[in-house]
Amino acid sequence: QLQLQESGPAVVEPSETLSLTCTVSGGSISSRPYYWGWIRQTPGKGLEWIGSLSYDGSTHYNPSLKSRITISADTSKNQFFLKLSSVTAADTAVYYCARHNDYGDPGVFHSWGQGTLVTVSS
Amino acid sequence: DIQMTQSPSSLSASVGDRVTITCQASQDINNYLNWYQQKPGKAPKLLIYDAPSLETGVPSRFSGSGSGTHFTLTISSLQPEDIATYYCQQYDDLPWTFGQGTKLEIK
Repeated sequence: QLQLQESGPAVVEPSETLSLTCTVSGGSISSRPYYWGWIRQTPGKGLEWIGSLSYDGSTHYNPSLKSRITISADTSKNQFFLKLSSVTAADTAVYYCARHNDYGDPGVFHSWGQGTLVTVSS
Repeated sequence: DIQMTQSPSSLSASVGDRVTITCQASQDINNYLNWYQQKPGKAPKLLIYDAPSLETGVPSRFSGSGSGTHFTLTISSLQPEDIATYYCQQYDDLPWTFGQGTKLEIK
């Protein structure tokens, strides 16, 4: 059974880089046709898609965050990563990783991790 | 960006009631519309995709309909375990965007 687990620091200082890892078990991140994405949730803005990485390594980013985000993967560890630079308090959120494109439906998030709360604070 | 507007923002209903939540897109999204259920402290869970398609394992009391810019999620007979917040999401165009949510409570 597919499982996704987010991990990373719970607190990040303003202007620093937020780094999160999603560890996948029960499925390979290199398998077609899957995409692997990051979504965040804040009380103010609700759910926001951050960006995604496909099985072939191509990426798609939300234009509102594109200048600050990098999504990458380590296939040997079956992990993918989010880096968000120059964070501010507005980046405080619960961050989820998810799998999508299960049936060739790129924007359908079929499986989610449990989420991890990241607070931006000094 | 495509704006997704849900109504109502909150809803109180009794067990056994038929419940309908609506989602309006700011432009035609060609039925690329999903519905998620989120319980407190949990991740969203996919219920409906591509407007009417029921995700595997989701009870048949949940159904989705609509086309173009107007969509609905219906619960045919509300159960206590359906208490949650429901979100719509479009994937017709990047960036994929979500509605603001509808919080469903038991009366």
